[in-house]
Amino acid sequence: DTAVSQTPKYLVTQMGNDKSIKCEQNLGHDTMYWYKQDSKKFLKIMFSYNNKELIINETVPNRFSPKSPDKAHLNLHINSLELGDSAVYFCASSQGGTSQPQHFGDGTRLSIL
Amino acid sequence: QQPVQSPQAVILREGEDAVINCSSSKALYSVHWYRQKHGEAPVFLMILLKGGEQKGHEKISASFNEKKQQSSLYLTASQLSYSGTYFCGTENKDSGAGSYQLTFGKGTKLSVIP
Repeated sequence: DTAVSQTPKYLVTQMGNDKSIKCEQNLGHDTMYWYKQDSKKFLKIMFSYNNKELIINETVPNRFSPKSPDKAHLNLHINSLELGDSAVYFCASSQGGTSQPQHFGDGTRLSIL
Repeated sequence: QQPVQSPQAVILREGEDAVINCSSSKALYSVHWYRQKHGEAPVFLMILLKGGEQKGHEKISASFNEKKQQSSLYLTASQLSYSGTYFCGTENKDSGAGSYQLTFGKGTKLSVIP
């Protein structure tokens, strides 16, 4: 059984489009995260949600909007996609804060044409 | 503040040992270690929460020197399966215990060859 699942796995789209990535975890965790990993493999946190509430919102353009309908789901919507948005986006979850292990999804590879 | 990892890359022959270092300019509450294989998700290895704490998982262990604000990951008798990029993630004390912000280093690419 997949613990943290993301869809889609690949997303190829044109500049200016709007797209969403979905994430679901079945671990019963109360905290979920979105990370962006660029071409140089730098893994940077974007957002963190605890019990559906936004805890961390790093310096991310307003075009990125996370939504957590419940503790098990955290979606990411991106408006007006730009070339620089091309990256792998990872969803992760943990129980509690960062003193606990984080479990990562397989990632969504976003390519902007 | 992003922790600094060294070395950036290392090539080992099977059976050799390696040490990967992670240092921060800020006081640390915890240090995480993850391994990421090419095209896959990062996988949790261990967390160190207290200064001086050492943890081990098979032939991979780690230490945390709170005073020096650094952690080291030790890979003993390396196997081909150890290949991948190793990331340390740090939780700063000024973020508070149990914060939700983990800052990752740039990673150390480890290649184990036969």
